[in-house]
Amino acid sequence: DARVTQTPRHKVTEMGQEVTMRCQPILGHNTVFWYRQTMMQGLELLAYFRNRAPLDDSGMPKDRFSAEMPDATLATLKIQPSEPRDSAVYFCASGFWTAEAFFGQGTRLTVV
Amino acid sequence: QKEVEQNSGPLSVPEGAIASLNCTYSDRGSQSFFWYRQYSGKSPELIMSIYSNGDKEDGRFTAQLNKASQYVSLLIRDSQPSDSATYLCAVNGGGTSYGKLTFGQGTILTVHP
Repeated sequence: DARVTQTPRHKVTEMGQEVTMRCQPILGHNTVFWYRQTMMQGLELLAYFRNRAPLDDSGMPKDRFSAEMPDATLATLKIQPSEPRDSAVYFCASGFWTAEAFFGQGTRLTVV
Repeated sequence: QKEVEQNSGPLSVPEGAIASLNCTYSDRGSQSFFWYRQYSGKSPELIMSIYSNGDKEDGRFTAQLNKASQYVSLLIRDSQPSDSATYLCAVNGGGTSYGKLTFGQGTILTVHP
């Protein structure tokens, strides 16, 4: 059963702490997206990769967010230092070129 | 102008009616178009994809694409209460945005018995 796997599912952390979210894309997919969803902003694209290379991270606050793909089976999104305004659901999705993208279950982040 | 815009909603239809959801996009080079359904507290789930002008039908769902008008729509026939969800239009860009998957704000659909 091919699916995108995200960990952790929930994270509560204190302001100023580092947060790392992980994503295992579907095997064979070469494109990975990171999105953030809030009630106010909807689904915002933070960054995306193709064949592990970052193509666009213009949606990310550069001073505190970073995204990497250390290998084809792992994508990471880090926030350092975290702030209360970062509280949101973070989704990873994977696809093949411009075909359909499939979402993981998301990481619900709360920064207090 | 937003890259992908959806009719604002919320949209409420009676059970058995046709629900019509609309979406426009700004990038003329866009290659592929998708509709996702998202239930409250869940992740977006792909329900339809369309790549060429015209209609594409899958069960009770029909996607329509008009690239000249930069318009894509989703029709849900014989709407059921279980169709109540947020529907997200997504567009894969072209040119320098090739492969960039951008979403609209979503339309909340409620189907009442």
